[in-house]
Amino acid sequence: DIQMTQSPSSLSASVGDRVTITCRASQSISSYLNWYRQRPGKAPELLMSAASSLQSGVPSRFSGSGSGTDFTLTISSLQPEDFATYYCQQSHSTPPTFGQGTKVEIK
Amino acid sequence: QVQLVQSGSEWKKPGASVKVSCKASGYSFTSYAMNWVRQAPGQGLEWMGWINTNTGNPVYAQGFTGRFVFSLDTSVSTAYLQISSLKAEDTAMYYCARDEEDFWSGRMGAWGQGTLVTVSS
Repeated sequence: DIQMTQSPSSLSASVGDRVTITCRASQSISSYLNWYRQRPGKAPELLMSAASSLQSGVPSRFSGSGSGTDFTLTISSLQPEDFATYYCQQSHSTPPTFGQGTKVEIK
Repeated sequence: QVQLVQSGSEWKKPGASVKVSCKASGYSFTSYAMNWVRQAPGQGLEWMGWINTNTGNPVYAQGFTGRFVFSLDTSVSTAYLQISSLKAEDTAMYYCARDEEDFWSGRMGAWGQGTLVTVSS
């Protein structure tokens, strides 16, 4: 199985801050990388697919980049609703695997 | 709009069975595959497998064979997850998640609200 490793595991930030989360795959996954946000007590929601393609309705403050094994999710200006846990997930091969999550907390 | 509504929380004793439902609306049910994802308390997301909503053919991830069964009732646009011989370690939130493709892509664009299954004597 492809292992997905996120860093950091958690971070503290303030509203308006720029935040970057990284995700590394144990082998090349081309651009088959998706990002999800899970707010406390809620189901995950798909933010981005194919590493950098924003889902419909997702604010433009979210952006993604990378290919191969290294990827990043950037939130340009953190909003209150963005305090959540973020997961990367590869859909290059079965089974699709998730990173361990990055918890974004209020500073 | 696309909606997946799951059945309510369940409390079961070890050895019992449980069936979780996931009712879809707002789209053609058989046009998209359905995934199932488990999240143990305080833990991350774990893909359990998927079911082809056209053929009813399920695919199970390693670790989810034998006691786990995916099924459909296309007449009511509903997917089901049944777990038998429940163990304490099955305690988790279970999500259905609609795939973005009819066959399978692994991109999960719409999620149910989750069903908490608690296994305890």
